Amino acid sequence: RKEVEQDPGPFNVPEGATVAFNCTYSNSASQSFFWYRQDCRKEPKLLMSVYSSGNEDGRFTAQLNRASQYISLLIRDSKLSDSATYLCVVIPFSGGYNKLIFGAGTRLAVHP
Amino acid sequence: DADVTQTPRNRITKTGKRIMLECSQTKGHDRMYWYRQDPGLGLRLIYYSFDVKDINKGEISDGYSVSRQAQAKFSLSLESAIPNQTALYFCATSDSDRAGGEKLFFGSGTQLSVL
Repeated sequence: RKEVEQDPGPFNVPEGATVAFNCTYSNSASQSFFWYRQDCRKEPKLLMSVYSSGNEDGRFTAQLNRASQYISLLIRDSKLSDSATYLCVVIPFSGGYNKLIFGAGTRLAVHP
Repeated sequence: DADVTQTPRNRITKTGKRIMLECSQTKGHDRMYWYRQDPGLGLRLIYYSFDVKDINKGEISDGYSVSRQAQAKFSLSLESAIPNQTALYFCATSDSDRAGGEKLFFGSGTQLSVL
């Protein structure tokens, strides 16, 4: 089983739609969680951290479910510019350097 | 100008050649990393460095070496390139998030093709 798993998609949604992605992780001791966004052939960029209580940044909401070991990203009122691949990142507790584990990404395509 | 700069942007080489990818940063971060990205796989860590004298292997360091020439410069070498090293390579820097974990800042990537 992969340490971090994501549905590769693509998720094809119309503008204005609400879409949600999940990301599951295998290490129950994982400490920190992030969502990165990556445009085609470009570098990943941090979208948002995921906090235990859940957090929101504009149209984006991130949530953590420790019991079921997944994080989610909800995008409301999708824009064409949201089309990208969304990478889930998990940091397991290792007692030393906190290595980031990247998921393979979920591709979102927003169409007019 | 980009905060994290990688050169070259694209490179095509032949099996057995030695290749160097370079990375420089103006963010003033101590930590630097090299990752590779393959289709259908997450980014995988090749090497990382916490300062000029601290270099560590990542999960897939075989066939690669690195040099941290200065705080701002971290280069990746493929000693003898092979076709399965064809990938998109990213350099990254980080400044620890006080809440825990690392926020990474990536360069724009180097697409390497080994024929």
